[in-house]
Parts: sequence; structure tokens; C-alpha cells
Amino acid sequence: EDQVTQSPEALRLQEGESSSLNCSYTVSGLRGLFWYRQDPGKGPEFLFTLYSAGEEKEKERLKATLTKKESFLHITAPKPEDSATYLCAVQAFIFGKGTRLHILP
Amino acid sequence: GAGVSQTPSNKVTEKGKYVELRCDPISGHTALYWYRQSLGQGPEFLIYFQGTGAADDSGLPNDRFFAVRPEGSVSTLKIQRTERGDSAVYLCASSLDLNNEQFFGPGTRLTVL
Repeated sequence: EDQVTQSPEALRLQEGESSSLNCSYTVSGLRGLFWYRQDPGKGPEFLFTLYSAGEEKEKERLKATLTKKESFLHITAPKPEDSATYLCAVQAFIFGKGTRLHILP
Repeated sequence: GAGVSQTPSNKVTEKGKYVELRCDPISGHTALYWYRQSLGQGPEFLIYFQGTGAADDSGLPNDRFFAVRPEGSVSTLKIQRTERGDSAVYLCASSLDLNNEQFFGPGTRLTVL
């Protein structure tokens, strides 16, 4: 059975304090790993797609990496506006529970 | 351009009633997805359409749930004999094709009293 596990469930950081979020997955033949950001009361917003181990993608303060078992979302020098829930999904529609990120000013 | 829209934004109903939730995807997107999201959880997959046909309905929890997309655009999620456990935010998303980035609507918050 395809599964996605995200950790930690919640993370509080000071502004400027870099960290990483983890997404571990078990699938039969990865067809894509997706990262989304979700703000309260809104639908998820697409961030990245990764398809093969070793692939990396960057956008502003965010960088996503992929291995054969997990993906990391690295956040460098975060700002309060980066506060959100970050969701990982595999095979298009199998989502993890997300990591709630709170950046303190 | 317009994004994915969902109506109504909120729906309050009584246990046992029938409800319909509507999703208008982005024009030209052949793939359409329905999810259910409870507080503190990730989106739970319900059903995926490719064009007019339900390509994967393995996430529908039971036969009270049904969805249609008759013309390959607008989709309706139908819930019969609603139960209090059906209360959640129902999200719709569309994409150019499976395994492309999904664009989500704002969701419909369903409350079953």
C-alpha cells in the first residue's frame, strides 16, 4: 500500500532559523512527489514536483530534494510569511498529514 | 485566468439529508480530483476523473458517496443520507493531466448536524 509520512507534525522556528521538513514514502514505482503549501481556510498551493532520486528544485527560500525513500523541504532563513502547513503527496493524490510550520518574528 | 471554484463555500445540513457539492475546474484541465480534509489532517483522496470517466474511485468511503462529471468539465459530488462523520472540508482540484501539478479550489465546508 502506498504511504506518505511527514515529520515533524509541527515546527516552531525563529525568523532566520533554517530547518528541514521530512516526507518519507512507500510506493510501487514513484510517478511523482509533490510539495504543496496550505494556508488556513484555503486550498493547497503547488510548490514543487520531483520525479527521480537526486532531483532538486528551488524557489526563493525553499529547496526540495528527493531520495528513493524520502524527500526534504529545506527552508533557509525563513520569514513569518512562510508560516503555513506544508503537504507532501505521491502518485498525484496520496497526501501526508502535513507539517505545521510557524515562524516567529 | 479563473482558478478552480467550488460552491457552496459552506453547507449546513441535517443528518440523513442529501447534499450536492459543485466544482468548476480550470478550463482545459482534463483531470479532476475530489478530496476530504478534516482538521489537522492532510487531504484524503476520494475520486479522480480523467475527462468524463471516473478513472479511480477507490477513495470513496461507501456507497452514499457518488460523483459525476458528465461533460468533462464541471463535477458534482453527491452525498446521500448524510452522517455527522461526513462533516469536513471537501476540496476539489484540477490538473492538465494525472501527475501534473494540481490547482485547488477554496473548498466547501460541510457541517452535518
